Formats: sequence, structure tokens, C-alpha cells
Amino acid sequence: KNEVEQSPQNLTAQEGEFITINCSYSVGISALHWLQQHPGGGIVSLFMLSSGKKKHGRLIATINIQEKHSSLHITASHPRDSAVYICAALRNRDDKIIFGKGTRLHILP
Amino acid sequence: DAMVIQNPRYQVTQFGKPVTLSCSQTLNHNVMYWYQQKSSQAPKLLFHYYDKDFNNEADTPDNFQSRRPNTSFCFLDIRSPGLGDAAMYLCATSSNKYEQYFGPGTRLTVT
Repeated sequence: KNEVEQSPQNLTAQEGEFITINCSYSVGISALHWLQQHPGGGIVSLFMLSSGKKKHGRLIATINIQEKHSSLHITASHPRDSAVYICAALRNRDDKIIFGKGTRLHILP
Repeated sequence: DAMVIQNPRYQVTQFGKPVTLSCSQTLNHNVMYWYQQKSSQAPKLLFHYYDKDFNNEADTPDNFQSRRPNTSFCFLDIRSPGLGDAAMYLCATSSNKYEQYFGPGTRLTVT
């Protein structure tokens, strides 16, 4: 079992819909990243969280340390949001980043 | 703009022909990472440099080597690429353990 699990693996939605991507982890962490990767492209860091909630434009990320769970929300989704979203946790015991397998998001116009 | 640059963006090499991928950074970060990402999989850490200290992951094949001649540059050498080495190779930098800045990646094709 992966130490970082994401759901769903794939998500298709209509433009304008509210999107939620979930991440759960089973190890002690000191921070959690949400990353975005467009097809054939490199990775862009969206958020780094250690507690609470962060907002940037239409993107919101939350983390619940007690429940070992984080969510990434996209409001008023747009086709340009289509990408793979990756959750990555900074593992306490060795400071290594453990990546989830990603959620492939496709927003239809 | 400060950034992480990878060259080339696309690289085609022949089976068994050595290839070198390049990463440079203008962020002056002391840590540089190389990741391998195969299709539909999570990135896998190959090795990282903390300043000049080289840290190899236990399961990184010997076929993969790295050089960091100075703070700005880091190279990934694949001595004898196999078909299974076709992947996206991502370079990342960091000045602390919390944040990583990724380059655009080099997509390697092995023919």
C-alpha cells in the first residue's frame, strides 16, 4: 500500500463545476505539497501546507493533520485546469518526498 | 526570472548509446534532485546533491550517474540506456527540506 494515496485516479467534469481531489497519507509528515503537471510538461508547485487552509485564486487546499487527509478544491473549473494533480508528502523520518500517483483531471468545455 | 532549466526538453537516443541530460538553476539553491517519471506513474527519486554531497537512492540502477560541477549545474548521465529507461526526467532544487522547485523535464525516448 502506498504511503500517499489519492482519489479519484481520473476525473472528468464540465466547465464550471466545483472539483475536489483527495489525498490521504499513512506516515508522519512535516508538510504536504499539491503539484500540477500538464501533459508532457514539468511540475508546478501549487501549495505547500503544514496545517489549515490556503487559497490561491480559484484553488483551495486544506489539510487535517489528525485525520491525515488533504483536499485540493478548484472552484469554477475551466478547461485549462485539465492536468494531473499530484499530492506529495514530506516524510518526517527521513525528509523524503513521497508522491501520490496523481489524479488526472479533464474539464470539458 | 529565477528558475530551473532543463536541456534538452526532448531527447532521443539509441539503445546502449550514452546520453547526458542537463539541469541548471538560477535560484542558488544548495540541493538538487533528479527524478524519473514513467508514464502514468509518480516521480521516483534517483539521487540528490546536498551541496557537493552526493546521495544515491538504494534502488537507483548503476547505469545512472550524476555530476554536479558547481552550484548551478547538475547532469544526469545514462551510460547504456535501455528501452525501460524511456521516461520523463525531472530536475528539482531546494534551499530547505520543505519546498522543491521543478524544472520542465526532459522526455527521453530510447529507440
